[in-house]
Amino acid sequence: GQQVMQIPQYQHVQEGEDFTTYCNSSTTLSNIQWYKQRPGGHPVFLIQLVKSGEVKKQKRLTFQFGEAKKNSSLHITATQTTDVGTYFCAGWRNSGYALNFGKGTSLLVTP
Amino acid sequence: DAGVIQSPRHEVTEMGQEVTLRCKPISGHNSLFWYRQTMMRGLELLIYFNNNVPIDDSGMPEDRFSAKMPNASFSTLKIQPSEPRDSAVYFCASSSSTSGGLTDTQYFGPGTRLTVL
Repeated sequence: GQQVMQIPQYQHVQEGEDFTTYCNSSTTLSNIQWYKQRPGGHPVFLIQLVKSGEVKKQKRLTFQFGEAKKNSSLHITATQTTDVGTYFCAGWRNSGYALNFGKGTSLLVTP
Repeated sequence: DAGVIQSPRHEVTEMGQEVTLRCKPISGHNSLFWYRQTMMRGLELLIYFNNNVPIDDSGMPEDRFSAKMPNASFSTLKIQPSEPRDSAVYFCASSSSTSGGLTDTQYFGPGTRLTVL
């Protein structure tokens, strides 16, 4: 079945450094969503990408959806300690009802 | 807006006992999802309801798991009998579906941390 793979699994950066997490699917996705989960918390929706090649920005966060709609990335510029958490991508298949979450990338930012 | 409400927040039980997790979705939302999160398997979709009807339960691990949604404001996930491998955080999420529910933002509850001894 379809899988959504996310890399890296963990990332440790110094505050101010950039961070990128990548999401890859074995099949074409109708759209992709990104969520953030703080330690001990629950996933919180960040953004949804729908169009091929789409790029969206939220302050220091930049989200991209690949041209083939099989991959996506989240880039954080100049990380802050408030960025700590696990970032998940979640893809919907073109058919069926399953929202498949990647395993997530856990980001640790040290001052 | 109170958000998605889940109870209990923590549950510790012994193997073989019945466990019932409860969820109240956001008022007006017509789609409800149950997820399980573990370190090994990540976040897994267990079952999805749309307008109180179970649409996809292919993620339910086995017959020990059952879920119901008797009305638009309440859902339960039951495990009977529970086993240690069921220990996980169980999240409920809801969304306001305009296109069959599948591309809408999901709002997660705080989760129930289940420990089966």
